[in-house]
Order: sequence, then C-alpha cells, then structure tokens
Amino acid sequence: DAKTTQPNSMESNEEEPVHLPCNHSTISGTDYIHWYRQLPSQGPEYVIHGLTSNVNNRMASLAIAEDRKSSTLILHRATLRDAAVYYCILRDGGGSNYKLTFGKGTLLTVNP
Amino acid sequence: SAVISQKPSRDICQRGTSLTIQCQVDSQVTMMFWYRQQPGQSLTLIATANQGSEATYESGFVIDKFPISRPNLTFSTLTVSNMSPEDSSIYLCSVEARGPFNEQFFGPGTRLTVL
Repeated sequence: DAKTTQPNSMESNEEEPVHLPCNHSTISGTDYIHWYRQLPSQGPEYVIHGLTSNVNNRMASLAIAEDRKSSTLILHRATLRDAAVYYCILRDGGGSNYKLTFGKGTLLTVNP
Repeated sequence: SAVISQKPSRDICQRGTSLTIQCQVDSQVTMMFWYRQQPGQSLTLIATANQGSEATYESGFVIDKFPISRPNLTFSTLTVSNMSPEDSSIYLCSVEARGPFNEQFFGPGTRLTVL
C-alpha cells in the first residue's frame, strides 16, 4: 500500500475552518484517497473519499492536488465534537483490495 | 450503513487464559475484518474473515493465537489465546459496506486488559 504522511497534531478554535493536510507522493493512478476519523473511545468512522476531483459531503470537503500527491481535508466550521484522530488512507480502486492500512493520523484538538 | 455491536465491551483477564470476542452486524456482509489497537497506537489489521472460508491473516498474526470463526453473513468471533500482558489492546471488528463508497463501518471495540 502506498504511504501517507500527516502532521502528528493540529489545533483549531471552535467554529473556525480546519485544513488537515496529507502527503501521498507515491500514489498510483488507481488509488482512492479516503479519510476516516476516530473519536475518543470509539471505532473509526468514514468521513469522505475521492479520486481526482474535489469532493463535498455533509461532514467535510476534500481538496485533491492536481498531481494527486497531496490532499487536504477541510472541516468548514469545527465543533468540539470534531476533536478526533483523522486518518488519511490510500485504497487501491482496482476491486479486490478491501484492506485499510492506518497510519498514525493527525490528532485534532478543538478549543472552545 | 451497517450497525455493529461487539461483546464484551471490555474485560480484564489473567495471563494464560483465552477470550472470545463476538461481532454482530445488522445486515448481511461478505467481508469482516478484525483490527487491534494497542495503547496510544493506530489500528493494525489482524485478519480478514469471509463467510465459508478460512480467515486470511496479516503478517505477524497467526491462527493459533487469533482463531477466527465466521459461521454466517452477520456474525464473527475472534479469540485471543494464551494471553499475555502484551495482548492488552482494543480489538475492533469492521465490515465493508455494500454501497457506492465502499466505506468500512467499525464496531465500538472491545477493550482487553491482561494482568
């Protein structure tokens, strides 16, 4: 699996936007970029994913660089409930690779 | 979506004993996964369990230590055998959703402490 690099931690203030970066310079053409987050004392939950184009959903936006070697998860207005570890994961879209390989992720702290 | 429950939610066990963790899903799924999350660490995949076939283990994990059963499309068990304090971790099961995003849904985890 291609590897991703994320900052160990980031801090934000409540109701401000948060930009969580992820580098994946060895990404292949069939790799999808997935984001999961793990709230305290819970299992991970899916946030968003994309291939080439920017993506939006009710939780977040995903901005993907034109060369696909990096991406940014955007939380438009952080809340205290968004405090979690955020994982950026590459998944081969070639059909049979169901495995999620978790890195260390970014611990997001949201200040009131 | 899929709703996943795990039993027990937590347990404290003595070294040398075994614990079986149950994972129940509210819908039929083909693939189930078992992960381990050691204290302060990220998740590591233990094995993939398909109904009707042997589980596929990741490097560093063996069937004798972590036997898995998958008797039907909504249920799986993971046994942690001959436990030692190093097995103290959170064990999570997950399933692959049948949907356009292929996201995985995770259970709440089982927190195991081995004394």
